[in-house]
Amino acid sequence: AQTVTQSQPEMSVQEAETVTLSCTYDTSESNYYLFWYKQPPSRQMILVIRQEAYKQQNATENRFSVNFQKAAKSFSLKISDSQLGDTAMYFCAFMKQPGNTPLVFGKGTRLSVIA
Amino acid sequence: GAVVSQHPSWVICKSGTSVKIECRSLDFQATTMFWYRQFPKQSLMLMATSNEGSKATYEQGVEKDKFLINHASLTLSTLTVTSAHPEDSSFYICSARAIFSYNEQFFGPGTRLTVL
Repeated sequence: AQTVTQSQPEMSVQEAETVTLSCTYDTSESNYYLFWYKQPPSRQMILVIRQEAYKQQNATENRFSVNFQKAAKSFSLKISDSQLGDTAMYFCAFMKQPGNTPLVFGKGTRLSVIA
Repeated sequence: GAVVSQHPSWVICKSGTSVKIECRSLDFQATTMFWYRQFPKQSLMLMATSNEGSKATYEQGVEKDKFLINHASLTLSTLTVTSAHPEDSSFYICSARAIFSYNEQFFGPGTRLTVL
């Protein structure tokens, strides 16, 4: 079974600064996907970024980027130029191939962006 | 595109009654839908996986007779909480995997259930 671990229950960052959220996972699969989801107070799950395990290049989406270390089974999220709207719960998630399988979520990190 | 709706968004019911929650993919066909439960300040816990036209697969510890899931079409899955009790109060979220997308699931906005 796969497990996802987020070791930082809460973090805070000053507006415009950079913050990194940690995630490690355990799996025996060779092909899989990793995700970061954002859950704001509305509780709507929003996909932030996605990484396919076979791709060595780290995924980036505007201010969001990941550091994917496959051998270390690490998948951290870096948020640059933090904005107040980034305040939310962030969940790291794993999905094995094929995509017809459920997501396995970490416990989440509550991020607060301070003005 | 890729919008998933849930209805109702919130519901309050008396203990012992049944509540049905609908999950619809509005602009795509969903081969598979997933139901999650989320307690306050906790992560999403998978309850069951449903495929159109077949029986749902429940996770260990989830009572299939209590949480009835019906995936009647490629755009609709329903979760019925039967004989609800206060401990069933939670936030229920569905997600759907689209036929066109092999590596993404689209989430509904969730349903808050309160059982008095």
